[in-house]
Amino acid sequence: EPEVTQTPSHQVTQMGQEVILRCVPISNHLYFYWYRQILGQKVEFLVSFYNNEISEKSEIFDDQFSVERPDGSNFTLKIRSTKLEDSAMYFCASSLIAGGQTGELFFGEGSRLTVL
Amino acid sequence: KQEVTQIPAALSVPEGENLVLNCSFTDSAIYNLQWFRQDPGKGLTSLLLIQSSQREQTSGRLNASLDKSSGRSTLYIAASQPGDSATYLCAVPNTGGFKTIFGAGTRLFVKA
Repeated sequence: EPEVTQTPSHQVTQMGQEVILRCVPISNHLYFYWYRQILGQKVEFLVSFYNNEISEKSEIFDDQFSVERPDGSNFTLKIRSTKLEDSAMYFCASSLIAGGQTGELFFGEGSRLTVL
Repeated sequence: KQEVTQIPAALSVPEGENLVLNCSFTDSAIYNLQWFRQDPGKGLTSLLLIQSSQREQTSGRLNASLDKSSGRSTLYIAASQPGDSATYLCAVPNTGGFKTIFGAGTRLFVKA
């Protein structure tokens, strides 16, 4: 069964360092997303990406964050200068069509980021 | 602004019991509603997607219903098993459809 894969599963970094989280969405999907979940809190939306551009982003997704689809298979989230409060589980998701247009979201297993 | 609430926050039941998890949302103009399962420290597994035109959706021992007008959905789990122990999340996309809003989840524990 097709699945969304994420690497690394866990990354520990020092505050101020750059981090890149990688995702391989399901191959025929067109919409890509990043969500995060701080321990004990709700899953919260970061950004959606379609046709090589951001379609929507949350207030969390400030200038420290960026996304890229460098080739036909990978989708990355970059955090330029990590802060302690960036510690969270980051989930990549993909859908064949936009969620609001009856699209089903499929999530990866997540990348746990720990900022020291 | 869409808000999603799930009750109860936690539930502990003996094996074999049928149970209902509740989800409510404030803006009834939704396209669909999706239920997920999350095991501790793991990703989200899609369980059921109900389109706005549907009243319910079934998969095995799971049945999800949707009442858009009242802003409610329920997830019914029949004959619960210890392997059903997990957190169950409901989620709805916003009007534009690019952002999905999640409830806080119901943490289920099924005792053997």
